[in-house]
Amino acid sequence: EVQLVESGGGLVQPGGSLRLSCAASGFTLSDHYMDWVRQAPGMGLEWVGRTRNKANGYTTEYAASVKGRFFISTDDSRNSLYLQMNRLRTEDTAVYFCARAHCSGATCPWEEDYFDNWGQGALVTVSS
Amino acid sequence: DIQMTQSPSSLSASVGDRVTITCRTSQGISNNLAWFQQKPGKAPNLLIYGASTLQSGVPSKFSGSGSGTYFTLTISGLQPEDLATYYCQQHNTYPLTFGGGTKVEI
Repeated sequence: EVQLVESGGGLVQPGGSLRLSCAASGFTLSDHYMDWVRQAPGMGLEWVGRTRNKANGYTTEYAASVKGRFFISTDDSRNSLYLQMNRLRTEDTAVYFCARAHCSGATCPWEEDYFDNWGQGALVTVSS
Repeated sequence: DIQMTQSPSSLSASVGDRVTITCRTSQGISNNLAWFQQKPGKAPNLLIYGASTLQSGVPSKFSGSGSGTYFTLTISGLQPEDLATYYCQQHNTYPLTFGGGTKVEI
């Protein structure tokens, strides 16, 4: 059974840093594209960024709102995904979900690039 | 960025009703559209991908259609457990974008 479990959320002051983790089980994380999606309180879903899989060199993409401040990485030995968040702003307050893209392997055509599994989310609160 | 416009933003329906939610995109995305259901306090759950393909394990009461810039999600035989917010999402171009959501009340 595929499972994704986020951890590391909490309260941080504006300008601070925080690292979220997403532990994967039931599949090999390095085979899949993996994403972070966030949801501000009472609001809709916002894509944060992704890492492509090992076959594609773990290259990354980011939303404009976080580019240069947030960084996604993986640890194959721990089968885990990370989101390093720096220079945090109050508007970064949200529940952060990790999500698995369906496609795996060397190619990921757009038709197969949908989120088929999500974690339960981790709350990040940025406040003084 | 591709803008996603969902309508209505909320709806109230009765048990047994058939409801339809629409999603329009600012650019053509072929059929690279997914629909998610999010119940209060929970993570989103994939219902439909490829605009019309039902995810394994999802009841056939859910159906999707559309291509290009216009898409619909239909829920047949509405039940109390369908109370949730529904989101469309395009997986055709970066940045990946979501619709604003449709809250379904029973």
